[in-house]
Amino acid sequence: TQLLEQSPQFLSIQEGENLTVYCNSSSVFSSLQWYRQEPGEGPVLLVTVVTGGEVKKLKRLTFQFGDARKDSSLHITAAQPGDTGLYLCAGAYRDDKIIFGKGTRLHILP
Amino acid sequence: KAGVTQTPRYLIKTRGQQVTLSCSPISGHRSVSWYQQTPGQGLQFLFEYFSETQRNKGNFPGRFSGRQFSNSRSEMNVSTLELGDSALYLCASRPDPRRGATQYFGPGTRLLVL
Repeated sequence: TQLLEQSPQFLSIQEGENLTVYCNSSSVFSSLQWYRQEPGEGPVLLVTVVTGGEVKKLKRLTFQFGDARKDSSLHITAAQPGDTGLYLCAGAYRDDKIIFGKGTRLHILP
Repeated sequence: KAGVTQTPRYLIKTRGQQVTLSCSPISGHRSVSWYQQTPGQGLQFLFEYFSETQRNKGNFPGRFSGRQFSNSRSEMNVSTLELGDSALYLCASRPDPRRGATQYFGPGTRLLVL
C-alpha cells in the first residue's frame, strides 16, 4: 500500500513563531504538491516541486523536496493568523497515480 | 482564467436518494478528477476523466459513477445514498495528465445525507 504520511497531524503555535511540517513516504515521487485548505473550501495549490533537493520559496513559506524525492518539508517563518488552515501534500508517481496525505491542521494563535 | 467551478455548493438529501454533482474545469483543462473528503479519511480519490474517458478509478462502490462531456465538464452521480456518503466532494482539473500532476481544485460540494 502506498502511503504518504504527514506530521504533525495538529499544530497550534503563537503568532511570530517558526514551524516545519513534514511529508514522508517510502516511495519515490515524480513530483510533489503542497496545498492549503480553509474550512468549507477546496485546497489551493501552493507549490509543485519536481527535482530532488529542490527548494522553493513563497514569501514566508519555504518548501524542500528531499534528495531522493521520497519526502518534503514546509517551513513557515514568523507565522501569522492568516497561515491557519489544513496543509496537504500530494505525491505523484511515474504511472501518474496521485496520493494525498491526511494533512497537518495548523492553528496560529494571535 | 476562471477557476474550477462546482455546483451546487451545498446539498441535503435523504438516504436512498440519488444526487448529481457538476464540475466545470479551468478553460483548456481536459482532465477532471473527483475526490471525497471526510474528517476521518482525508482526501480519497474517486475517479479521473480525460477526453471523455475514465482514466483511473479509486476504491469506491459502483454507486459512485461519473462522466465527462466533450467540453470537459464533468458530472458525478451517487445513487442510493447512505449516511456515510456525507462529505465534501471536490473536483480538480489539470491540462493533460500526461504532462504533469499539478491539479487545481474547485470549492467543493458539501453533501449532507439524512
